[in-house]
Amino acid sequence: DVKVTQSSRYLVKRTGEKVFLECVQDMDHENMFWYRQDPGLGLRLIYFSYDVKMKEKGDIPEGYSVSREKKERFSLILESASTNQTSMYLCASRQGGTNEKLFFGSGTQLSVL
Amino acid sequence: RKEVEQDPGPFNVPEGATVAFNCTYSNSASQSFFWYRQDCRKEPKLLMSVYSSGNEDGRFTAQLNRASQYISLLIRDSKLSDSATYLCVVGTDSWGKLQFGAGTQVVVTP
Repeated sequence: DVKVTQSSRYLVKRTGEKVFLECVQDMDHENMFWYRQDPGLGLRLIYFSYDVKMKEKGDIPEGYSVSREKKERFSLILESASTNQTSMYLCASRQGGTNEKLFFGSGTQLSVL
Repeated sequence: RKEVEQDPGPFNVPEGATVAFNCTYSNSASQSFFWYRQDCRKEPKLLMSVYSSGNEDGRFTAQLNRASQYISLLIRDSKLSDSATYLCVVGTDSWGKLQFGAGTQVVVTP
């Protein structure tokens, strides 16, 4: 079964800190995604990547950057964490396009104080 | 206006009953449709894809109405284990960028 692993389940950071969220998938999937999930808003796409070193902005990229140096790893970076970035962050991967299933990691609950 | 809208619920359903709920989408060019299930404090998992002709998977039936731009999910003979939040997901472009609804909560009671 596909495994998508996020490095931390819970994370507490201070305003202004640089934060790295790591995601690793073990099924050689081409596409990887970072979402955030907030109550009442659903999942919103931050960034996605369809290949190594390729990245595309999602719907809410402001305040975030990403890195994909290896196919299996997709990192989300908060350059200077702010309180409005407190959220559940979900990484997902998918092989191929539109009709393929998304596999999610178990999420990182980030609190920025 | 959100691209994908769902009634947040909760839908309180007696065990064994049938429950149905809809999701509306705003982009008429949407090409792919899914229902994902999310248990409390867990990640979303694909429940089923939704096809133009409608489709069934056991006790679950999904329908697509392109003219009115909504999809529906019906759960028959509800089980306690069906308690979850059901996320409506719509693919909005040829690449397959997905838009998620905020979810409909279903609570099945004994």
